[in-house]
Amino acid sequence: GQQVMQIPQYQHVQEGEDFTTYCNSSTTLSNIQWYKQRPGGHPVFLIQLVKSGEVKKQKRLTFQFGEAKKNSSLHITATQTTDVGTYFCAGNDYKLSFGAGTTVTVRA
Amino acid sequence: GAVVSQHPSRVICKSGTSVKIECRSLDFQATTMFWYRQFPKQSLMLMATSNEGSKATYEQGVEKDKFLINHASLTLSTLTVTSAHPEDSSFYICSARDNPSAYNEQFFGPGTRLTVL
Repeated sequence: GQQVMQIPQYQHVQEGEDFTTYCNSSTTLSNIQWYKQRPGGHPVFLIQLVKSGEVKKQKRLTFQFGEAKKNSSLHITATQTTDVGTYFCAGNDYKLSFGAGTTVTVRA
Repeated sequence: GAVVSQHPSRVICKSGTSVKIECRSLDFQATTMFWYRQFPKQSLMLMATSNEGSKATYEQGVEKDKFLINHASLTLSTLTVTSAHPEDSSFYICSARDNPSAYNEQFFGPGTRLTVL
């Protein structure tokens, strides 16, 4: 079945700095979704990427879908304390296959 | 946006007892709901796909006789953990789509934290 790898598992960031989390799939994806889970909370949908090479932005967040539709990335600029949480990518072939997640902590 | 609720939010039970968790779509109808399990500091693992009016589809390695799923209506799915044991302690989360399209986002419930003593 579909396997989605995500790195890094942990990201400790200085407030104001940028960071990127990466996802790679063992198979070509129809589309990929990104979710954020705050500590003690549940996953909340961020965005969906469908087209090869697609790039979408949400304020300080930039999402990319690779040309081969097998990898994706999330780049956050000027990290804030509100960015704390775990970011999951999920390959979508009707059911979601979640990556391991990148847990982000921010030092002020 | 679409809202999914779960009840209870937390449950503590003795080993050997059964626990029922409810998942409701509050403002939309969901022909399909999904049940996930999340262990501490780990990712979400899909347990089963719950289909309204038919049997659930279980993922490999998930015991269907232990995790009973009933999708009795378009707004309610239940997961019953039968004869629970301490290793079943986990965070159980359901999700649903408000559109049958496979390419839509899933809306997650707040989760149920199960502790088996």
